[in-house]
Order: sequence, then structure tokens, then C-alpha cells
Amino acid sequence: DAKTTQPPSMDCAEGRAANLPCNHSTISGNEYVYWYRQIHSQGPQYIIHGLKNNETNEMASLIITEDRKSSTLILPHATLRDTAVYYCIVRVADSGYALNFGKGTSLLVTP
Amino acid sequence: ETGVTQTPRHLVMGMTNKKSLKCEQHLGHNAMYWYKQSAKKPLELMFVYSLEERVENNSVPSRFSPECPNSSHLFLHLHTLQPEDSALYLCASSGLGVDTDTQYFGPGTRLTVL
Repeated sequence: DAKTTQPPSMDCAEGRAANLPCNHSTISGNEYVYWYRQIHSQGPQYIIHGLKNNETNEMASLIITEDRKSSTLILPHATLRDTAVYYCIVRVADSGYALNFGKGTSLLVTP
Repeated sequence: ETGVTQTPRHLVMGMTNKKSLKCEQHLGHNAMYWYKQSAKKPLELMFVYSLEERVENNSVPSRFSPECPNSSHLFLHLHTLQPEDSALYLCASSGLGVDTDTQYFGPGTRLTVL
């Protein structure tokens, strides 16, 4: 699976959009980009995933650049409950089992 | 609420005890996973069951023994653990196949070994 690079921490004001970047410059054509988050001491929560098109669901939007070397997770109106560690994971779907979570980005949403 | 439940949520045990962690999924999935998350470390995959067969065992010590009696239930039997086994133990489930293999996690069991 391709390696990902994320900033270690970010701040966002409540009500504003949180834009979390992820670099995956070695991604290959059949690798998907997945995003999970983990609120302190809880199980990771699946957010969204995509291959090359932008994706949106009730939680977030995923923007993948045309060359697929980077992506951005957007939380459109961050709340205090969105404070968590966000993980960007690149993997080939249906290729094996381990999710390599790495260190992620610690997002702090402030009042 | 992800459809994956784990019990107990917290467990304290001595090194000579035997205990079991339970995971149940209500998502109709065919694969189930045990992960370990130690303090300040990334998640480590321990075991994977696919269609009730163990398909992955990542060099986990024999004091951890998984059991998958059916596609909805997964157990982790613990015996003669060490203090360094204290961690958050996470269960996950997924479907099989390109469009359905997203993993959904339970809330975890916080284990403390004294």
C-alpha cells in the first residue's frame, strides 16, 4: 500500500470548514483513499473513501486531485464533537486485511 | 453506533486470570478482525476471520486465542497475560469484495493487566 503523509495537528474554529490534507504521491491506479477518525479512546470511525472522483456523504466530502497524488477531507461545518485524530489510508480494495493507520492528523475544533 | 458491539468495555485482570472479549456485528458481514492499540502506537492487526476461517494471524503470542463460532460473533480468549498486553482491543467487521470491504469498528475493550 502507498505511504501517506499528513500534518500532525490542525486547529479549526467551530462552524468553519475543516480541510484536512493528505499526500500520497506514490499511489497506484487501483488504490483507494480511505478516511477514518478516532475520538479519544474510542474505536475508529469510517468517514468516506474514493478512487478518483470526488465523493460526498452525510459526514464529509473527499476531494482527490486529478493526478491522485493528494486528497483533502472536508468537514463543512466543524463542531466540537469533530475533535479527533483523522487518518488517511491508501489501499487496494479487496487486497488483504490490514488497515495501516499511521499517525494521522490531530484536529482540534475550538469554540 | 456502527453495528459492531464489544463487551466488556473495560476489563482489569491479573496475570494468572483467564478472560474472554466478545464482539458481535449486526451488519451482515463475512469478515471479522481483532486489532490491538497500545498507548501512543498505531493500530496493529492481530487476527482476521473470513467466512469463519482464520485467514491471518500476525505473529500474535499464544496467550491470545481467537474464536469465530459464526459470522456474527468473534471472541478473543486471554490467559496468562503480561502487563505489556494492557491496551485497547478493537474488533472490526467488513464485507468481502471491492465495494463492500470497508471495515467498521466497535468501541473497543480497554484491558488492564496487573
